[in-house]
Amino acid sequence: AQKVTQAQTEISVVEKEDVTLDCVYETRDTTYYLFWYKQPPSGELVFLIRRNSFDEQNEISGRYSWNFQKSTSSFNFTITASQVVDSAVYFCALSEASSNSGYALNFGKGTSLLVTP
Amino acid sequence: SQTIHQWPATLVQPVGSPLSLECTVEGTSNPNLYWYRQAAGRGLQLLFYSVGIGQISSEVPQNLSASRPQDRQFILSSKKLLLSDSGFYLCAWSAIAGGTGELFFGEGSRLTVL
Repeated sequence: AQKVTQAQTEISVVEKEDVTLDCVYETRDTTYYLFWYKQPPSGELVFLIRRNSFDEQNEISGRYSWNFQKSTSSFNFTITASQVVDSAVYFCALSEASSNSGYALNFGKGTSLLVTP
Repeated sequence: SQTIHQWPATLVQPVGSPLSLECTVEGTSNPNLYWYRQAAGRGLQLLFYSVGIGQISSEVPQNLSASRPQDRQFILSSKKLLLSDSGFYLCAWSAIAGGTGELFFGEGSRLTVL
């Protein structure tokens, strides 16, 4: 069963627009971790953020912000004033404390973001 | 600082040929190591993970295998490639202590099987 759902396959915005990437997860664990990664055209996955299930505080890092809501099992990612360099595929991922896969991450299928000038 | 490298970056192989992708981590000890595959237009699929030398666990039955001959070396192999093996292969590591840490990925190896 898919544990991480990123319903938006592709999003296209014009530079300087704000954009929110949705992520919904599914787990029975009370202890788990959520992640966001960026995959630019070069292909390498770049780690952006890690949140644990006990910390629902939203986080802001420059133009990036994350909204973690356990009540809706969501961990959404917002880019403010988007730039062309933000164009990439973004992945949301889940790791569960009860994992029997060496704490491997379960990834969503990704959202491809295109920011045009 | 820790770094991870994998090679080759690009590979074009005929069906039925062997495969060897190598991944090396530097600057850390006893990491968890992972091989993921990203098929075109799809998400990342976990293929193998390793929690120590010689300890390999497979997540998906396939004609691929993995080995960990040294603490910081992880190798993905196949004796006979299939067309369906084409994809982007990513090696990753994470610190074992505490688990559930973020994974750090290598640059990826793009495999095309013809």
